[in-house]
Amino acid sequence: DSGVTQTPKHLITATGQRVTLRCSPRSGDLSVYWYQQSLDQGLQFLIQYYNGEERAKGNILERFSAQQFPDLHSELNLSSLELGDSALYFCASSVGGGPVGSPLHFGNGTRLTVT
Amino acid sequence: TQLLEQSPQFLSIQEGENLTVYCNSSSVFSSLQWYRQEPGEGPVLLVTVVTGGEVKKLKRLTFQFGDARKDSSLHITAAQPGDTGLYLCAGASAGGTSYGKLTFGQGTILTVHP
Repeated sequence: DSGVTQTPKHLITATGQRVTLRCSPRSGDLSVYWYQQSLDQGLQFLIQYYNGEERAKGNILERFSAQQFPDLHSELNLSSLELGDSALYFCASSVGGGPVGSPLHFGNGTRLTVT
Repeated sequence: TQLLEQSPQFLSIQEGENLTVYCNSSSVFSSLQWYRQEPGEGPVLLVTVVTGGEVKKLKRLTFQFGDARKDSSLHITAAQPGDTGLYLCAGASAGGTSYGKLTFGQGTILTVHP
């Protein structure tokens, strides 16, 4: 058990819809990272928050947004969903502000299926 | 864009055999991490290598970081069925706009048959 909690585990929705994925980091971790994993793209970094502020941005689409709340949990919002957004979405957390010297602990992911 | 190429993509071997997984890039990384992922779970960190030429051992697993910090390898001795899983390498950038980004390779799916 990594200590990172992601909900829901599975999500099935239709194209054009909007969903929210939730992540609770490990106790004491200040950074939250969001990753997308698909068969053809592998694990792609989306965005990182550190202590409530955006720290780094990856290949995150404009239709996607995220935030980290004062209690350090994070939400990833995906809107105007397309079939290609179907993937596993992972949240990870770390103590420090970056993966260098601060190991990432991953949750078990949310499997999103867009029909 | 920093890319990490892992090879082979698939590896199917018998219990007791040795194997090596490679992770190569044209970019320099400040550190390189290896993860193992099982179906239905998130990746779990195995090791982080930081110094060029560094070698780390974790029981039957040996990790090496290239001298130029552009490549890494994972060697498993006497593989066991419990080693089955997806192995991912990930390179970390330390500064500038890349701070916080961990670039993952495509992964190697290892299957060890009893």
